[in-house]
Amino acid sequence: EAGVTQFPSHSVIEKGQTVTLRCDPISGHDNLYWYRRVMGKEIKFLLHFVKESKQDESGMPNNRFLAERTGGTYSTLKVQPAELEDSGVYFCASSQDPGRVSTDTQYFGPGTRLTVL
Amino acid sequence: LAKTTQPISMDSYEGQEVNITCSHNNIATNDYITWYQQFPSQGPRFIIQGYKTKVTNEVASLFIPADRKSSTLSLPRVSLSDTAVYYCLVGAFNQAGTALIFGKGTTLSVSS
Repeated sequence: EAGVTQFPSHSVIEKGQTVTLRCDPISGHDNLYWYRRVMGKEIKFLLHFVKESKQDESGMPNNRFLAERTGGTYSTLKVQPAELEDSGVYFCASSQDPGRVSTDTQYFGPGTRLTVL
Repeated sequence: LAKTTQPISMDSYEGQEVNITCSHNNIATNDYITWYQQFPSQGPRFIIQGYKTKVTNEVASLFIPADRKSSTLSLPRVSLSDTAVYYCLVGAFNQAGTALIFGKGTTLSVSS
């Protein structure tokens, strides 16, 4: 069974440019999460999809970040315009349990390393 | 949200058993204890979860005393490939119950 995949693995852009990150969850997983780690900090939650609906986007830092999950399959996270502080590693995870995640395993992708110059 | 305390780093040699202890004095009755492992350039990976006593799988064992205020992740006979960051998560969900909350983890370095 294929795991969570993310594309690209690494992106280097200049401040003010736009970048779109993609995540393909494990097939059949309704729950999809985005997290990120900025330099020297802990991994932080960004948002959670259940199928195509945003269940919780309380972790999104500002309106320069836009996440979509059309059709409830893959998801994209667009940063527009990118700022220096957006640099970090963006992780996507998916899980199966549609309910509370207290015992549900989240499967993480390898991450996309974003560097904003 | 139960606060966890674990060592920042640990060093070990190949073939040794490594025990990483996590303190969680404020654990709630319905909280599970979950450990994730993260290799460099990869995302975190679930390794084990337990509620009480002992849980064992092909990767590790998790020991939880009766008061559940701490837990110990045990890695038998570590190899170089076990070098990673290990996260202890207890009740580590945001208010909506939808996301994991990670701390700094324990960086385990295994050398030959």
